[in-house]
Amino acid sequence: KQEVTQIPAALSVPEGENLVLNCSFTDSAIYNLQWFRQDPGKGLTSLLLIQSSQREQTSGRLNASLDKSSGRSTLYIAASQPGDSATYLCAVTDSGYALNFGKGTSLLVTP
Amino acid sequence: EAQVTQNPRYLITVTGKKLTVTCSQNMNHEYMSWYRQDPGLGLRQIYYSMNVEVTDKGDVPEGYKVSRKEKRNFPLILESPSPNQTSLYFCASSLSTGANTEAFFGQGTRLTVV
Repeated sequence: KQEVTQIPAALSVPEGENLVLNCSFTDSAIYNLQWFRQDPGKGLTSLLLIQSSQREQTSGRLNASLDKSSGRSTLYIAASQPGDSATYLCAVTDSGYALNFGKGTSLLVTP
Repeated sequence: EAQVTQNPRYLITVTGKKLTVTCSQNMNHEYMSWYRQDPGLGLRQIYYSMNVEVTDKGDVPEGYKVSRKEKRNFPLILESPSPNQTSLYFCASSLSTGANTEAFFGQGTRLTVV
């Protein structure tokens, strides 16, 4: 069964720093990988989707990369802001059709 | 606005009292699913549906039922809720299950069973 791991579990950085969140998965036979943001008491918001044939995707200050052969993805956040504080979840879709989620990285950006 | 709508957002109920959590999407998506989120366990899939009248079990289906009579709706039914079903529930939908399909999530339903 696909296992998804996110490191670190929690991260605190001062405003303005660039940061990297890591995601690893055990089975490289995936359809895609998605990064989500979850705010307390709210649902999941999709940030970036990387198809299995792609290497990276960018949206504003966010850049996600995918190395399918090594089972790794990173989410790079440039010039972090307090509004970026949230939990970031990585999920891969494989042949089972389910989204297999990591447990998330809780990010706190301090002013 | 494209969205997945769940109701209710919060629910407190007693053991054994049947309940239904509704989920509706307005994007004409074929694929819908239910997840529960628990501390330390993350999000786990309960049931999914590939299309109308097609449903199948996810990783944690025990104690739950679903139906897909219309494309837009995918209710989650707890026939006899128990305290171990206290959790945060999310409904999700996507156009299909292909590589380029993005999943959209509802706002969540926080269920407490006492």
